Amino acid sequence: GQSLEQPSEVTAVEGAIVQINCTYQTSGFYGLSWYQQHDGGAPTFLSYNGLDGLEETGRFSSFLSRSDSYGYLLLQELQMKDSASYFCAVRDQTYNTDKLIFGTGTRLQVFP
Amino acid sequence: KAGVTQTPRYLIKTRGQQVTLSCSPISGHRSVSWYQQTPGQGLQFLFEYFSETQRNKGNFPGRFSGRQFSNSRSEMNVSTLELGDSALYLCASSLRDSYNYGYTFGSGTRLTVV
Repeated sequence: GQSLEQPSEVTAVEGAIVQINCTYQTSGFYGLSWYQQHDGGAPTFLSYNGLDGLEETGRFSSFLSRSDSYGYLLLQELQMKDSASYFCAVRDQTYNTDKLIFGTGTRLQVFP
Repeated sequence: KAGVTQTPRYLIKTRGQQVTLSCSPISGHRSVSWYQQTPGQGLQFLFEYFSETQRNKGNFPGRFSGRQFSNSRSEMNVSTLELGDSALYLCASSLRDSYNYGYTFGSGTRLTVV
């Protein structure tokens, strides 16, 4: 089956750069997406990096290594408002289905 | 443009009851997916509708069902509620071929079963 692993928590200080990792096991891989979710809020799309293209938003960029089944989200010039949960996701088209599978999420805490 | 709208935002139900949640996608988006989010299980896929047809279904019991109307609005229903159904239910819409470029999620319905 599909699985995505992320660290449960990452901490950093304002102005720093932080990397959030995601390792995945999947078949029929297309690419890796990233979402941000503040407490009580909706997940919002940040980035996609895959075979058919790349899309990034603002201070968020992503890296992908297909050979290592690994990717990460890079957040630059951290701000307090970046404190949130971050999810990686892959598209699953196995077993006659088509959906996004999300990782368990990484909680980022930014300190002043 | 208007985002994805989910109603109600909060709901409290008792065990054994049923509940219906509503989702209005972004105008022009024909695909609507539903996810359940809990602290223990994360974001779990429930089902996806496209042009009024259920295209995909996750590993949830038959108590969870849904439908999509001709205007792309979608509803999901949970019957015979259990305590474990307490969760944030998220709806997301997309252009059918744009999974990779991002779903747009609604703010969710927080369901509490007591």
